[in-house]
Amino acid sequence: DAKTTQPTSMDCAEGRAANLPCNHSTISGNEYVYWYRQIHSQGPQYIIHGLKNNETNEMASLIITEDRKSSTLILPHATLRDTAVYYCIVRVRGGGATNKLIFGTGTLLAVQP
Amino acid sequence: NAGVMQNPRHLVRRRGQEARLRCSPMKGHSHVYWYRQLPEEGLKFMVYLQKENIIDESGMPKERFSAEFPKEGPSILRIQQVVRGDSAAYFCASSPAHQETQYFGPGTRLLVL
Repeated sequence: DAKTTQPTSMDCAEGRAANLPCNHSTISGNEYVYWYRQIHSQGPQYIIHGLKNNETNEMASLIITEDRKSSTLILPHATLRDTAVYYCIVRVRGGGATNKLIFGTGTLLAVQP
Repeated sequence: NAGVMQNPRHLVRRRGQEARLRCSPMKGHSHVYWYRQLPEEGLKFMVYLQKENIIDESGMPKERFSAEFPKEGPSILRIQQVVRGDSAAYFCASSPAHQETQYFGPGTRLLVL
């Protein structure tokens, strides 16, 4: 699986949009971009995933650049409960031998009141 | 639809004892994954199982650790002769099929005295 690079930490004001970047310059054509988050002492929570088109669900939006070498997770109106470590993971979906998720160090998002 | 369930949520063992961690996947999910998170560290893949089969155990320590996912009942992660270094949070995830999105349980926190 391709390696990802994320900032160690970010701050965001409550009610504002939180934009979390991720670089995955070595991503291959059949690898998807996944985002998970881990609120302190809880299990990782799936947020969203995409291949090349922008995606949106009830939690967030995922913007993937045209060359697919980077992406941004957008939380449109951050709340204090969004304070967590956010993980960007790229992995193959469909076929292939491995199915494991490789977690990096992620970005600690601190939402400030 | 209930999420992934893990029990116990907290487990205390003395050195040399056995620890059994249980994971019930989401309804309709036949694939289970175990991850470990050591204190102040990231999540590391341990093992991937499908009903009655171990698919990938590349992250499992070679000794004392075993996992199973029987035809009936939950998946079990078993740690024999626990040592203090086994103290960690153990997370289980499940997916409906190979390469599909994984959903995590709340974890079991193992403390070895």
